[in-house]
Amino acid sequence: ETGVTQTPRHLVMGMTNKKSLKCEQHLGHNAMYWYKQSAKKPLELMFVYNFKEQTENNSVPSRFSPECPNSSHLFLHLHTLQPEDSALYLCASSPKIRTSEYNEQFFGPGTRLTVL
Amino acid sequence: AQSVTQLGSHVSVSEGALVLLRCNYSSSVPPYLFWYVQYPNQGLQLLLKYTSAATLVKGINGFEAEFKKSETSFHLTKPSAHMSDAAEYFCAVSDGSNYKLTFGKGTLLTVNP
Repeated sequence: ETGVTQTPRHLVMGMTNKKSLKCEQHLGHNAMYWYKQSAKKPLELMFVYNFKEQTENNSVPSRFSPECPNSSHLFLHLHTLQPEDSALYLCASSPKIRTSEYNEQFFGPGTRLTVL
Repeated sequence: AQSVTQLGSHVSVSEGALVLLRCNYSSSVPPYLFWYVQYPNQGLQLLLKYTSAATLVKGINGFEAEFKKSETSFHLTKPSAHMSDAAEYFCAVSDGSNYKLTFGKGTLLTVNP
């Protein structure tokens, strides 16, 4: 595997289900991100992790719970979601943050989530 | 605070024609500016970036963009469209941190044979 991978690619869940999205990066990066991409809306940054520590939470509802066990893996745990949470969830990674240089983000293919 | 406006949610061109995708930004600090491309069922791929060096930036696949501070614009162009250019294109601005991006809503490019 190369780059950033995400599983599953598609997920359909009911509002009472609990599920998890997985992201893995094979680039040796230390920063990882979760984004939400909804139709007709700009990409929204949800969470940022740098060296496994959460550095950003953009007022995301608690029904979304991120986990970063190591610099290569990022999870998004989902529970009691609402239909408006249906979207494409993108994971990204970059070398690290809090340096003087801009560090390019590399994106995974996303998980298409549908909440019924 | 930063914001990005992409004019035209859908642009349609003929194969071989000029591609022009418009992006205007607002930023309280000197911006970093980016264009990303998203092909169907794929993530975002960086096309090109402006980071305060040359105002005319060349990217992959023959695309280029020009930073115009007076117009607060960063339009994306390609002289001759190819069928493989059909995708959604996103303009983004950085807030001066080296990782936070504010994205526009995207422009879907259709290329007709």
